[in-house]
Amino acid sequence: KQEVTQIPAALSVPEGENLVLNCSFTDSAIYNLQWFRQDPGKGLTSLLLIQSSQREQTSGRLNASLDKSSGRSTLYIAASQPGDSATYLCAVPPHGSGNTGKLIFGQGTTLQVKP
Amino acid sequence: DAGVTQSPTHLIKTRGQQVTLRCSPKSGHDTVSWYQQALGQGPQFIFQYYEEEERQRGNFPDRFSGHQFPNYSSELNVNALLLGDSALYLCASSPAGGPWDEQFFGPGTRLTVL
Repeated sequence: KQEVTQIPAALSVPEGENLVLNCSFTDSAIYNLQWFRQDPGKGLTSLLLIQSSQREQTSGRLNASLDKSSGRSTLYIAASQPGDSATYLCAVPPHGSGNTGKLIFGQGTTLQVKP
Repeated sequence: DAGVTQSPTHLIKTRGQQVTLRCSPKSGHDTVSWYQQALGQGPQFIFQYYEEEERQRGNFPDRFSGHQFPNYSSELNVNALLLGDSALYLCASSPAGGPWDEQFFGPGTRLTVL
């Protein structure tokens, strides 16, 4: 059974700092991994999707890496800004017959960037 | 290009009542999935609809049911509401619902059960 873990649960950094968020999964047989951002009480915004054949994806100040063999993904945020404050969630669709893209989520890391 | 939309935004019900939540997928998408997110937790998969049929279901009781219409929009129905059903309900859409596809989420419906 696939399980997804995100540590730490919360993180507070000063503005301008580069930071890394971690995501671990127990079953390395994944199709892809998706990172989302969630503002308080709001829906999820897709940030990056890394297919299983890829090692990393970049979008602006965000860079996500994937290491299937170790069951880990990291989301790197460069030059953090107060507007980056949100909860960041990672999710994977578990492998197996009949899977239709159901996502298994971690519990998220809540980031606060202080001015 | 409209993204995923959900209605209503907020809803307050009492225990034992029934509720219907609605979702319209992103343009060009034909698959809709529903998730429940309790406070401080990651979303939990309820079920997925494709071609107007429930294609996969998570670990939720039969009180949770759904429907998909020919225009691919979807409804989530919850009967006999419990206090524990209070949560943010999220709808996600994707093209064909395969595990390789990027999924896009709506803004959610906040359900409060008193």
